[in-house]
Amino acid sequence: EVQLVQSGAEVKKPGESLKISCKATGYSFASYWIAWVRQMPGKGLEWMGVIFPGDSDTRYSPSFQGQVTISTDKSIRTAYLQWNSLKASDTAIYYCAKHANGDHVGNFDYWGQGTLVTVSS
Amino acid sequence: QSVLTQPPSVSGAPGQRVTISCTGASSNIGARFDVHWYQQLPGTAPKLLIYGTYHRPSGVPDRFSGSKSGTSASLAITGLQAEDEADYYCQTYDNRLSGSVFGGGTKVTVL
Repeated sequence: EVQLVQSGAEVKKPGESLKISCKATGYSFASYWIAWVRQMPGKGLEWMGVIFPGDSDTRYSPSFQGQVTISTDKSIRTAYLQWNSLKASDTAIYYCAKHANGDHVGNFDYWGQGTLVTVSS
Repeated sequence: QSVLTQPPSVSGAPGQRVTISCTGASSNIGARFDVHWYQQLPGTAPKLLIYGTYHRPSGVPDRFSGSKSGTSASLAITGLQAEDEADYYCQTYDNRLSGSVFGGGTKVTVL
């Protein structure tokens, strides 16, 4: 059974760093692109970027380029989303999602449960 | 502002048919990229509803159907049920942005 299990909720102060995770099981982790999607409170879904665990090829949305870092650790089948300096506007639920096919053009067939990140002084 | 435009809300009585539009551009839907739809129930992660513009994953009722024409796509729900109350998002690929794009989401209310 395919599962994406994300790390737990975080409460941080502005300026702090953070790395959240998404552990994948039930499929060949290195063979499918994984994306990160932001959902701000009461708002819609926003594609942040995507990574291919096989070779760490990474693409970012222009809106998020330079603001976050996406990475993976193949040895533990885990993808990461990282901030160096959080802002209050980073408060949101963050989802990881697996692309269904071996490209990053198609649909997402599995989603993590989401990680709520709250940034407040 | 989302790259794909959806109506903020649609509503219908139980048993009725509702449609949700998803309007894009020549760099995404008009470039013949498939459109996909997700259902998000309150407090839960999105769930794949329609993939490849027309196809339903196993377990999705045939009350849900997708279509596409030109730079727009649509999701239809026939025989609306109370359990269909949720937010619905379209998604495709945009070759100008070189990444996935989502619609702004549509809240379906069952009257």
